[in-house]
Amino acid sequence: QSVLTQPPSVSAAPGQKVTISCSGSSSNIGNNYVSWYQQLPGTAPKLLIYENNKRPSGIADRFSGSKSGTSATLGITGLQTGDEADYYCGTWDSSLSVNWVFGGGTKLTVL
Amino acid sequence: QLQLQESGPGLVKPSETLSLTCTVSGGSISSNDHYWGWIRQPPGKGLEWIGNIYYTGTTYYNPSLQSRVTISVDTSKNQFSLKLSSATAADTAVYYCARPDLYSTIDYWGQGTLVTVSS
Repeated sequence: QSVLTQPPSVSAAPGQKVTISCSGSSSNIGNNYVSWYQQLPGTAPKLLIYENNKRPSGIADRFSGSKSGTSATLGITGLQTGDEADYYCGTWDSSLSVNWVFGGGTKLTVL
Repeated sequence: QLQLQESGPGLVKPSETLSLTCTVSGGSISSNDHYWGWIRQPPGKGLEWIGNIYYTGTTYYNPSLQSRVTISVDTSKNQFSLKLSSATAADTAVYYCARPDLYSTIDYWGQGTLVTVSS
């Protein structure tokens, strides 16, 4: 059971938009930045969004992030088949000690 | 460009200690703005944070693994290491070394190495 809650799967057609939610609490998302990671099949995770809504160099502006209270959202517009991947949110958690926590991951299928 | 590379045995016997090393190239491990961490992913499952270390040696461990985990750093070799004692089949996973910053971002990841715990 992950500390951060994500939907197990989402799907949409090419060209459409999809959002992936990440729900936490005041000990993690509520008081820390959130980052998002894309994991293509058989590869290591890659940073997609950091500090809630910033994109690293080289990440397309089709990817966006937002945070409100104890929840965060990843948005992907203009879906491409190459976006099929697992997506994870992550942040620090300070409920017991200083820990890093991930969401359980969301499998994106581009139909 | 910073690169992280995991190394170590791909097969560990149950009850033995799993040991991995991460070699950092293209930058110094003695960074004031970053930790160095280990994350694992069991086959077909999600990511699990194992722990972080600062170049000074300060460590943070996942409470669920804390009794079995030791992370250390060797600044002279630009390496940090993971030891997980009393390994069981549940520790079978791809192990990633990574660089978390102080603000909830992991900006660099190693390619990962599969460790299987089996007799």
